[in-house]
Amino acid sequence: KQEVTQIPAALSVPEGENLVLNCSFTDSAIYNLQWFRQDPGKGLTSLLLIQSSQREQTSGRLNASLDKSSGRSTLYIAASQPGDSATYLCAVRPGAGGTSYGKLTFGQGTILTVHP
Amino acid sequence: SQTIHQWPATLVQPVGSPLSLECTVEGTSNPNLYWYRQAAGRGLQLLFYSVGIGQISSEVPQNLSASRPQDRQFILSSKKLLLSDSGFYLCAWRRRGGYNEQFFGPGTRLTVL
Repeated sequence: KQEVTQIPAALSVPEGENLVLNCSFTDSAIYNLQWFRQDPGKGLTSLLLIQSSQREQTSGRLNASLDKSSGRSTLYIAASQPGDSATYLCAVRPGAGGTSYGKLTFGQGTILTVHP
Repeated sequence: SQTIHQWPATLVQPVGSPLSLECTVEGTSNPNLYWYRQAAGRGLQLLFYSVGIGQISSEVPQNLSASRPQDRQFILSSKKLLLSDSGFYLCAWRRRGGYNEQFFGPGTRLTVL
């Protein structure tokens, strides 16, 4: 059974710092990995999707990397801002053959606080 | 562009009462649809998914059921709510095939008293 772990559980940084959020998964046979952001009381916003064949994806100040063989992904946030404060979740889609119907297994999330 | 709606946004129900949460997707056809629950202190748990009208798969045994009466409509129901059904319910959709992202709705906060 796939298990996804995110470290740290919470992180507080001053504005302007570069930071890294970690995600690890136990079964390396994944189809893709997706990073989400969740603001309090809201739904999830998709940030980045990395296919199993890719090493990294970038969107603005966000960069996500994937090392499938070691079961790890990192989300790098450059020049953090107070507006980046949210819970960040990673999720993996299991299976290499596309038969998982897109089902995702989520980590518990990292609560990020960026203070001015 | 595609949008996903959920209602109601919040709901307070007594134990033993019925439940019906609705999710609709606009701007796409034939999507895969998903219901997740996010309980306090726990991660997101997939409850049901659907690959087509009338096709429902359950991921965990529970007090809930799901239905898909139309292509872009997904309903989560219960005949008798339990205290343990409280949580934040999220509907999601994904375009079929290939390496597609999953997109989430705004969620419904359910409190069972």
